[in-house]
Amino acid sequence: DAGITQSPRHKVTETGTPVTLRCHQTENHRYMYWYRQDPGHGLRLIHYSYGVKDTDKGEVSDGYSVSRSKTEDFLLTLESATSSQTSVYFCAISESSWRQGANYGYTFGSGTRLTVV
Amino acid sequence: QQQVKQSPQSLIVQKGGISIINCAYENTAFDYFPWYQQFPGKGPALLIAIRPDVSEKKEGRFTISFNKSAKQFSLHIMDSQPGDSATYFCAARMETSGSRLTFGEGTQLTVNP
Repeated sequence: DAGITQSPRHKVTETGTPVTLRCHQTENHRYMYWYRQDPGHGLRLIHYSYGVKDTDKGEVSDGYSVSRSKTEDFLLTLESATSSQTSVYFCAISESSWRQGANYGYTFGSGTRLTVV
Repeated sequence: QQQVKQSPQSLIVQKGGISIINCAYENTAFDYFPWYQQFPGKGPALLIAIRPDVSEKKEGRFTISFNKSAKQFSLHIMDSQPGDSATYFCAARMETSGSRLTFGEGTQLTVNP
């Protein structure tokens, strides 16, 4: 998907275990985002990054942490997985600014389906 | 706190018909309004977008209508096709908040042949 890959694609884990999801981009975009998708809620922002080591919280950040040590990699960690974190997780990237006349938007990865049992 | 409200939740249209999805927003600081299309097992993909200084934008069979005073915008899909069956998300961007997008809840569109 246009230079963005997520791993793993599927994961089943037990309640209470830590889990790390990886997002890797080859576009050299400044901004990276983690969203979760749940029925009836659309896409909700967990955390985002505006540069190496620069991150900030989104609207549903409790129970999650992120790290970005390189431009190309953005990691999402569930510190102690709970059943409420069963979801599909999407990473997205975007350029730092949008060009006049161009359609600005995110490029999304293919998602990680996480099940916490 | 959902800043972008989308309706309907699901929509069934016959082939050749018009599909209409509506969104409303609260924050007047939003400065860009994209629509995304998502097929099962895939990530959302940018479909079409509009800025608030324009009332309508058309790309092929897809049109965004924007009403700034009402704080509403809608996606119209003309001559709907079975291949348009997907989930559609509206979104709104606030550049001052790190260019983050706030998404609506999504609309599952089914176009019957």
